[in-house]
Amino acid sequence: SQTIHQWPATLVQPVGSPLSLECTVEGTSNPNLYWYRQAAGRGLQLLFYSVGIGQISSEVPQNLSASRPQDRQFILSSKKLLLSDSGFYLCAWSPGTGVTSEQFFGPGTRLTVL
Amino acid sequence: AQSVTQPDIHITVSEGASLELRCNYSYGATPYLFWYVQSPGQGLQLLLKYFSGDTLVQGIKGFEAEFKRSQSSFNLRKPSVHWSDAAEYFCAVGPGANAGKSTFGDGTTLTVKP
Repeated sequence: SQTIHQWPATLVQPVGSPLSLECTVEGTSNPNLYWYRQAAGRGLQLLFYSVGIGQISSEVPQNLSASRPQDRQFILSSKKLLLSDSGFYLCAWSPGTGVTSEQFFGPGTRLTVL
Repeated sequence: AQSVTQPDIHITVSEGASLELRCNYSYGATPYLFWYVQSPGQGLQLLLKYFSGDTLVQGIKGFEAEFKRSQSSFNLRKPSVHWSDAAEYFCAVGPGANAGKSTFGDGTTLTVKP
């Protein structure tokens, strides 16, 4: 069966510090991968998605970046965090082949920027 | 462009009462439709999906949803709500696998009164 991992679960960082959030998927090959952010009381905002190694699409201009160094690894980064980067970050995957594009979500990372 | 509207930001129902959460979508082709549930501080879990066939689909936890093409709607229902159903619910519309990304509604928060 497939599983998706995210770490860390919780992170408190000062403004201006760097960020690295990691997401890995097990039990599937060539998945589509996604990074979302949820601000408090808000819906999902798609940040990045990837259909393959090194292929990243950015949805919202910001100081975040994403990389996919391996087929089942997706990393969200920042060189200098802003207060507005606080939120709940979710990684998700969907099948790269098949019929539907249902997504499977990780447990999330709660980021607080102080 | 595809879009999803969940008109109700917050709904409160009594335990044992019936529930209907509304979802309207805009999509230029045959839609693939999904409902997800998110418990506080956790990732999203797929409740059910529709992509063809019977317009009434059954999901996990006793939920069902009906696709109405004429109304561009995909409303989620449950005959009798349990306290554990309190959560946030997201409707999403998307293409087939590996053909693009899904679009999520802003979510509906469900509160269950004892």
